[in-house]
Amino acid sequence: EVQLVESGGGLVQPGGSLRLSCAASGFTFSSYEMNWVRQAPGKGLEWVSYISSSGSTIYYADSVKGRFTISRDNAKNSLYLQMNSLRAEDTAVYYCARGVRYLDYWGQGTLVTVSS
Amino acid sequence: QSALTQPASVSGSPGQSITISCTGTSSDVGSYNLVSWYQQHPGKAPKLMIYEVSKRPSGVSNRFSGSKSGNTASLTISGLQAEDEADYYCCSYAGSSPWVFGGGTKLTVL
Repeated sequence: EVQLVESGGGLVQPGGSLRLSCAASGFTFSSYEMNWVRQAPGKGLEWVSYISSSGSTIYYADSVKGRFTISRDNAKNSLYLQMNSLRAEDTAVYYCARGVRYLDYWGQGTLVTVSS
Repeated sequence: QSALTQPASVSGSPGQSITISCTGTSSDVGSYNLVSWYQQHPGKAPKLMIYEVSKRPSGVSNRFSGSKSGNTASLTISGLQAEDEADYYCCSYAGSSPWVFGGGTKLTVL
């Protein structure tokens, strides 16, 4: 069974940093592209970042470019999102999701709250 | 990249059919047959319902179908059931900023 489990969310002050993790199991992680998608409270879904299976190709949404860094460790079956210079508008549930042509599996999400 | 345009809400009675539209541009929906649809119940993660415009993942009811014409994609749910009540999001591949989502549509089953 495919499982994606996010962790690392919490309360952080504006300007602070946080590192999210996504632990994958039930599939050959190193063969799949991965993404981070977020959802602000009461709002819709917003794609945040993509990383290819090898990690060689990376994309970011304009809203996070220069502040967030996506990475992966295929030996540990893990995906990461390093978030720096956090702003109030980054407050959201962050989901990791598998896929490139479509997002077929999603984790349950981890809540990031940016507030003083 | 601007979000795709969906109606904020739609409703229907049990057994009826409803259609949710998703309008993009020639840079996203109109250029790629890579439109997908996601169902999200409150407090839950999104679930893939349709991929590549009209394909259904294993386990998704055949009451769900997708189509596309020009820059507009559509999700149709036939034989509405109470458990279909949820938020629905379309998503399209959009090139170098790969994914763009619609704003979401709240489906109410009356």
